[in-house]
Amino acid sequence: AQTVTQSQPEMSVQEAETVTLSCTYDTSENNYYLFWYKQPPSRQMILVIRQEAYKQQNATENRFSVNFQKAAKSFSLKISDSQLGDTAMYFCAFMPHNSGNTPLVFGKGTRLSVIA
Amino acid sequence: DTGVSQNPRHKITKRGQNVTFRCDPISEHNRLYWYRQTLGQGPEFLTYFQNEAQLEKSRLLSDRFSAERPKGSFSTLEIQRTEQGDSAMYLCASSLGSPPHEQYFGPGTRLTVT
Repeated sequence: AQTVTQSQPEMSVQEAETVTLSCTYDTSENNYYLFWYKQPPSRQMILVIRQEAYKQQNATENRFSVNFQKAAKSFSLKISDSQLGDTAMYFCAFMPHNSGNTPLVFGKGTRLSVIA
Repeated sequence: DTGVSQNPRHKITKRGQNVTFRCDPISEHNRLYWYRQTLGQGPEFLTYFQNEAQLEKSRLLSDRFSAERPKGSFSTLEIQRTEQGDSAMYLCASSLGSPPHEQYFGPGTRLTVT
């Protein structure tokens, strides 16, 4: 069974600074997707960034980028120029690719606070 | 299209009562998922549909839980004889059955069993 581990329950960062959230996963699959989702307080979950395991290049979306290390089964999220609106729970999630569009396996999340 | 909607947003019920939640997915999405999220945890998969067919149910889904998606549109999740341990946020998500496989989440229904 696939598992996703987020070892940092809470983190804080000063506005405009850079922060990195960690995620490791365990799977025997070779092809899969990895995602970072953001859940702001009392608001719905939205996708931040996705990575396909067969792609060597790390995904980037504006201020958000990932460091995908397939051999180490590591998938960290870097947020640059942190903004107050980045305050949220961040969940790392895994989806097997060969099985098609299947349910996500989530980590327990990291609560990020951006401090003015 | 306004995204995935869920009703009600909050539900308080007494132990032993039955409750039903509704999810309206994005209209062109053929896959619909139900997750449960308890305080301090990530969402856990309950069940999912492709069109009207229920493809998989988690071991978390006891016999008191049932889900339907008639006509492949909206879905309902019913919990019979609720227990205090059922208190959680119930999340619905939908997606296209093709890449990029992004799941779009609704706002959730928060259930409190007293």
